[in-house]
Parts: sequence; structure tokens; C-alpha cells
Amino acid sequence: AQTVTQSQPEMSVQEAETVTLSCTYDTSENNYYLFWYKQPPSRQMILVIRQEAYKQQNATENRFSVNFQKAAKSFSLKISDSQLGDTAMYFCAFINNNAGNMLTFGGGTRLMVKP
Amino acid sequence: KAGVTQTPRYLIKTRGQQVTLSCSPISGHRSVSWYQQTPGQGLQFLFEYFSETQRNKGNFPGRFSGRQFSNSRSEMNVSTLELGDSALYLCASSPGAGLYNEQFFGPGTRLTVL
Repeated sequence: AQTVTQSQPEMSVQEAETVTLSCTYDTSENNYYLFWYKQPPSRQMILVIRQEAYKQQNATENRFSVNFQKAAKSFSLKISDSQLGDTAMYFCAFINNNAGNMLTFGGGTRLMVKP
Repeated sequence: KAGVTQTPRYLIKTRGQQVTLSCSPISGHRSVSWYQQTPGQGLQFLFEYFSETQRNKGNFPGRFSGRQFSNSRSEMNVSTLELGDSALYLCASSPGAGLYNEQFFGPGTRLTVL
């Protein structure tokens, strides 16, 4: 079974600064995807970024980038130039390519961006 | 394209009752997954349906069931409700099965059990 751990329940950052959210996972699989989802107060879950395990290059999406360390089973999210709209719960998630669309989520990190 | 819709958005029930939640996926999507979100247990996978067949099931009691119709719309049913079933129930749709497809989440149904 897969597990996903987010060790930072809450974080805060000043607007325009950079923040990094941590995530570690445990799996015996070799073929999987990792994701960061954002859940704002509206509760709508939004995909921020995804990383295929077979790709060595770290994924980037505008101000969002990841640091994927496969051997260490680590998958952190870096948010650059933080904006007030980034305030939300952030969930790290894992999916096994051979298990259909079954996401395993971490416990979440509540991020507050301060003006 | 319209996004994933879930009805109702809010629901209040009492212990022992049963409830049915509905999810309409994005047009053309054939896979629907359900998740339960609670403060204590976080986000947990309930089940996934693809082409009217349950493909995966999470670790939930048999009181939780679901189905998918030929138009890909899905329902989940919880019988004999317990206080601990109070949660946000999220539905996600994706285009197909097999290799991973991006999942698009609905706004959720907030169920309160009194």
C-alpha cells in the first residue's frame, strides 16, 4: 500500500516571497505519478502540478515547481512570488499507474499568504 | 465544457437514514471516482467506476455503495448513516481507464449527520 506524508500542517509566507511545501511518500511501485492539489476555501480541488515518476526533469507550471527526488521518495512544491490567491490547503497525492484512478492523498498543508 | 457537477451541494440527515449523492462527469469522461474528506481522516478513496463497472474500491464498509449509469453519471449511496459519515464527498471524473488520466473534481456534497 502507498502512503503519503506531509509533515507541515500549517505554513505562512509573505506576499511575493517563496515557500516550499514538503511531501514524502512510500511505495514499492516503479511506475506512478505524483501531484500537488490546491483546495481553496471554496473546497474545489484544483490540480496545481504533476510529475511522472519516470521523468527525471522536475515539473514546472508558471510560479509552481517541484523538487522530485525519486530515490529519497520526496516530492516538494515550491511556490515563487506568492500571491494572496495562493492561500489554500495543499495536498500531495500519489497514483499507481496500474491501479486506475485511485489517488492516495497526504494530510495536507494549510498555507496562508500574508499581505 | 461544463465541469463536474454534484448534487445536492448540502445535505442534512439523521442517524440511521440513508442518502444518495449524485455526480455528473464532464461530457465524454467515462471514469468517475469518489472520495470522502473529513478533518480526522483526511481524503480517502471510496471507489471508482468506469463504463458502469466498479474498478477499484477503498477500505470502507459495505454501507457505502455506488453505481454508474450508461451516460457515465454516478451515484453513491450510504445506508444506515452514522455520525462519522459526516463529511465532504468529492467526485472526480477523467476521460478513460488504464494509464493515468487527469482527474477533474466537482465542488463536493457536504453531508451532515445528526
